[in-house]
Amino acid sequence: QKEVEQNSGPLSVPEGAIASLNCTYSDRVSQSFFWYRQYSGKSPELIMSIYSNGDKEDGRFTAQLNKASQYVSLLIRDSQPSDSATYLCAVRRSTGNQFYFGTGTSLTVIP
Amino acid sequence: ETGVTQTPRHLVMGMTNKKSLKCEQHLGHNAMYWYKQSAKKPLELMFVYSLEERVENNSVPSRFSPECPNSSHLFLHLHTLQPEDSALYLCASSHRDRGDYEQYFGPGTRLTVT
Repeated sequence: QKEVEQNSGPLSVPEGAIASLNCTYSDRVSQSFFWYRQYSGKSPELIMSIYSNGDKEDGRFTAQLNKASQYVSLLIRDSQPSDSATYLCAVRRSTGNQFYFGTGTSLTVIP
Repeated sequence: ETGVTQTPRHLVMGMTNKKSLKCEQHLGHNAMYWYKQSAKKPLELMFVYSLEERVENNSVPSRFSPECPNSSHLFLHLHTLQPEDSALYLCASSHRDRGDYEQYFGPGTRLTVT
């Protein structure tokens, strides 16, 4: 079983719509959760972190965490063509200092 | 710019060569990481250095050897690599004790083994 699972996509949304990206994780003791954006040929860029159940908003981005369901999501409101990228979900276990990444979801925002 | 630099940005090496990748962070962090990113695969954590402790992924071959002389510098020494080691090697840093553990990545080194 993979530590972190994401739908690889591609996910296409029209400009101005809400993009919804989902991630599940296998280890119940995971405590820290992260979303990264990676443009083609570039390194991952941190978008948001979330540590507690519920929603966390930052500009057009909202991260949602449900530890009981072992599920974390990222909503992008008013999607822009510049949001077209691969979005990586990452999880940190509570023990040690190890991080696990999903394979990423490719998002295309159509003008 | 994230405050994490990596050199070289591109590297082509033969299977018998020895080379080193360098990473430097200017963020005041106390943990540094090496990741391998291959096509269609998730980022693979190779090594972690934090507070003078080293954690390694047991699946990483011994032809990869890390070195962390201080909290700002990290090296990955490469020797007798295989073609399947061709990938993007990413360095990251974070603050271990502040409670956020947010990692910031460098631009990566694109390695090609011929």
